Amino acid sequence: KQEVTQIPAALSVPEGENLVLNCSFTDSAIYNLQWFRQDPGKGLTSLLLIQSSQREQTSGRLNASLDKSSGRSTLYIAASQPGDSATYLCAVRPGGGYALNFGKGTSLLVTP
Amino acid sequence: NAGVMQNPRHLVRRRGQEARLRCSPMKGHSHVYWYRQLPEEGLKFMVYLQKENIIDESGMPKERFSAEFPKEGPSILRIQQVVRGDSAAYFCASSRDGNQPQHFGDGTRLSIL
Repeated sequence: KQEVTQIPAALSVPEGENLVLNCSFTDSAIYNLQWFRQDPGKGLTSLLLIQSSQREQTSGRLNASLDKSSGRSTLYIAASQPGDSATYLCAVRPGGGYALNFGKGTSLLVTP
Repeated sequence: NAGVMQNPRHLVRRRGQEARLRCSPMKGHSHVYWYRQLPEEGLKFMVYLQKENIIDESGMPKERFSAEFPKEGPSILRIQQVVRGDSAAYFCASSRDGNQPQHFGDGTRLSIL
């Protein structure tokens, strides 16, 4: 059974800092890994999707890496802004499956 | 181009009542997935449906919960005889096919009095 863990559970940083969010998973047989953003009372917004054959994906100030063999992914946020404050979720889709396995998320607060 | 639409956004029920949650997938999507987010927990998969078929309901509680995705109309998640432990956010996602990324709706927040 795939277990997905996100560390830290919460993070508070001043505006402008670069930061890294971590995600680990127990079964390396994955189809893809996805990072989402969830704002309070809202749904999930997909940020980056990394296929199992890829090592990283970039979008603007966001960069996500994937090391399948060690069961790890990181989400790097450059030059953080208060508008980045949200909960960030990591989700792993297993190989041969379709149900996403989510971590509990990292709650990020960027202070002005 | 509308995204995944869920309604109602908020639903309040008393213990023992029925709750019906609706999900309209994105245009061109025929695959629907339901997830539940309990307080302080991550999202958990419940059920995967295609038009008129339940493909995988391994995450559904054995009793009181059912789901359908008819040929016409939205997908429905139905919870009978609700209990306080059913209070959660229920999210629907859709995809064009089983290999494509899932797009999520804004969820239905269910509160049981």
